[in-house]
Amino acid sequence: NAGVTQTPKFQVLKTGQSMTLQCAQDMNHEYMSWYRQDPGMGLRLIHYSVGAGITDQGEVPNGYNVSRSTTEDFPLRLLSAAPSQTSVYFCASSPRFRAETQYFGPGTRLLVL
Amino acid sequence: SQKIEQNSEALNIQEGKTATLTCNYTNYSPAYLQWYRQDPGRGPVFLLLIRENEKEKRKERLKVTFDTTLKQSLFHITASQPADSATYLCALGEDQFYFGTGTSLTVIP
Repeated sequence: NAGVTQTPKFQVLKTGQSMTLQCAQDMNHEYMSWYRQDPGMGLRLIHYSVGAGITDQGEVPNGYNVSRSTTEDFPLRLLSAAPSQTSVYFCASSPRFRAETQYFGPGTRLLVL
Repeated sequence: SQKIEQNSEALNIQEGKTATLTCNYTNYSPAYLQWYRQDPGRGPVFLLLIRENEKEKRKERLKVTFDTTLKQSLFHITASQPADSATYLCALGEDQFYFGTGTSLTVIP
C-alpha cells in the first residue's frame, strides 16, 4: 500500500492563478480531509469528506473548493490563489468518520507570490 | 473557540532521560485526544490515542495521561534516544480535530 499520496510536492503560483492539489489513498478509507499548516498556527482543517459525494467545511474553508467523486481521490482546488494561501497542505484519511487514527500524506508546499 | 497550547519552547534533554510534553486545552470537552510525531518535511504520524474516560495509556516507551478536570494531557518518552528528536503534536476532537502548534524535542547524545 502506498498509503496517502499527494502531488505536487512543491508549487509556486502567482496571485490569481488557480491550481488543484491532488490527494489519493489506497486504503479504502471513507473519511478524507485537508489541512493547512502554518508556523505558530498548528494544523487547521480546511474541508473534509465522509464518503464519495459528501463534503463539508472545516475551520478555514474560504478560498478552497473540494469534491469527492471516488473513494480514493480528494482534490483541493484553489480558484484564485492569494499570498495568504502560502502554506504547507496535508491530506489525511481515516477508515471512517470519527475514526481514532488519521493517516497523513507527505504534504504539498505552496508558495503564492 | 477552542484553544490548545503545547510547550511553547523547544525541549532539549539528555539521552536516556524522560521527556515530558504538555498539552493544555480550553473551551472544549473532547471525546479523545491524539498524539502525533512530525519529522521535518514530512506529514504527522499517529502515535497514541487516549479517551476521555481513560487516565493513562502506554505503548512501548511512550506514556500518555489525560486529566479532563485540569484539561491537560502529558506525553512521556522514557529512555529517550536521539531518534526520538522530532516535533510532537497533540490533537483533540471527535467530529473535527483541532491541533496544537507542537513541541520540538531534541534528544542530545
